Amino acid sequence: ETGVTQSPTHLIKTRGQQVTLRCSSQSGHNTVSWYQQALGQGPQFIFQYYREEENGRGNFPPRFSGLQFPNYSSELNVNALELDDSALYLCASSWDLTTSYEQYFGPGTRLTVT
Amino acid sequence: AQTVTQSQPEMSVQEAETVTLSCTYDTSESNYYLFWYKQPPSRQMILVIRQEAYKQQNATENRFSVNFQKAAKSFSLKISDSQLGDTAMYFCAFRGTSGSRLTFGEGTQLTVNP
Repeated sequence: ETGVTQSPTHLIKTRGQQVTLRCSSQSGHNTVSWYQQALGQGPQFIFQYYREEENGRGNFPPRFSGLQFPNYSSELNVNALELDDSALYLCASSWDLTTSYEQYFGPGTRLTVT
Repeated sequence: AQTVTQSQPEMSVQEAETVTLSCTYDTSESNYYLFWYKQPPSRQMILVIRQEAYKQQNATENRFSVNFQKAAKSFSLKISDSQLGDTAMYFCAFRGTSGSRLTFGEGTQLTVNP
C-alpha cells in the first residue's frame, strides 16, 4: 500500500470523447508523474508536475494535459480520444524532483477506448 | 535520450531456486539511478531494489540482489530462494539526476512454479 490512489479503476470511452483521470498523492509529495502503459509494454512517461507547474513532458501530443492541485491531488485529461489511447494509466508521486529517489505508484486506471 | 532494454520477455523458475533477470541501458550521464520494479496482476508497481550509479557496491534487499556493471551498462536482478509470490512482471528502470522521470524497459514476465 503506497498511499497513492487513483480513480476510477476502469473506464470505457468512445473514440473522440474526452476523459479525466484522477490521482491522490501522499501528503507532502510535491511531485507527480503520469505514465501510460499499453498492454504488454513498459510504462511510458507522459509528463510531470512539480508544485502545480508542468516540469517535463514525454513524447505525447498536446491533447494530453494535466493539472496538479495544492491538496496533493492531480488530473490527467485526454481530449479527442483515439483507439491507441487504450492503456493502463499510472500516476506516481514523490517528495520532490531530485533528492528523493523513490516514486510511489498508484494502482492505475484502465482506460478502454472503443 | 536514455534507453532501457530487457531481452527476456518471459522466464520461469522452480520454487526455491535462483533466477537472474537481465537489463541493459544506454545513457550519456555519469550519475543516475537504476531500479527494478515488480508489477503483479494487481497492477500495483512495487519498488524491489535500487542502485545509485556512483556506488560501486551492489545493492541487496533480502532475497533480491543486483549485479551492476557500470562500464558495460548492465544491471541484472538476482532472486534467490524464489517464492510463488514472486510471480509478476519485472521492469528495469532508469532515472537521471534532473527530474524524477523514469524510463522503463519492456519488462520480463517471471513465473515461479511449485
